[in-house]
Amino acid sequence: AQSVTQLGSHVSVSEGALVLLRCNYSSSVPPYLFWYVQYPNQGLQLLLKYTSAATLVKGINGFEAEFKKSETSFHLTKPSAHMSDAAEYFCAAHTGTASKLTFGTGTRLQVTL
Amino acid sequence: DTGVSQDPRHKITKRGQNVTFRCDPISEHNRLYWYRQTLGQGPEFLTYFQNEAQLEKSRLLSDRFSAERPKGSFSTLEIQRTEQGDSAMYLCASSIRASGTHEQFFGPGTRLTVL
Repeated sequence: AQSVTQLGSHVSVSEGALVLLRCNYSSSVPPYLFWYVQYPNQGLQLLLKYTSAATLVKGINGFEAEFKKSETSFHLTKPSAHMSDAAEYFCAAHTGTASKLTFGTGTRLQVTL
Repeated sequence: DTGVSQDPRHKITKRGQNVTFRCDPISEHNRLYWYRQTLGQGPEFLTYFQNEAQLEKSRLLSDRFSAERPKGSFSTLEIQRTEQGDSAMYLCASSIRASGTHEQFFGPGTRLTVL
C-alpha cells in the first residue's frame, strides 16, 4: 500500500532562513506527488505537483520541490521564509490507479522574527 | 470557477444526533471525494464518486456514514447517531478525470464537534 512519511511534525525557522520540509513516499511505481498548505480552519491549497514532466517543480509563493527517485523523496524548500508561510504543510501521493490521495501526517511550520 | 464549497462550515451537535453536510464541487469536475481530518493528522480518504456512482469506500466509512451524489453534481455526507469520535474536519475535494495529473481541489471543510 502507498504510504507517505513526513519527518518532523514541527519545524521552526527564522524569517529569511531556508525552509526545508521532508517527504518520503513508498511505492514501487513513482507516484504523482503533491504538496498542499493548510492555514488554520481552512481547506487545503495546492502548492505544487510532480507529474513526471520535470524532477524540479516550482510552485506558488516561492516554494519548490525536487523529486528524487533513488531516495524516494520529494522535499519542499523555500530559500527565504516569510511570516506568512507559517501553516501546516502536507505531502500527498497518488499512484495513478487508485482514486484517493494518501497524505502524510503533516509538518507545522513556525516562522520566528 | 468558484471553487469547491462546503456547507455548513461548522457544526456542533450532541452525541446520538444525525448530521448532514453538503459539498458543491467545481462545476465541470466529474470526480468528488470526501476525506476526514482529525487534529494533528493528515486527511484520510472516506469515499469517492465518479459522476453519480460511488466507486470506492474506505473501511473508515462505518455503517453510520452514508454519502450520495444523486445527480452527479453536489454531494451530501450524512452521519447517523453521531459519536464523540466523529469530531473532525470533513473535507470535500473534486477533480476532473481528463486532467491526467490527478490534482484534487479542496473545499474549506466542515468542522464537526460532537458533545
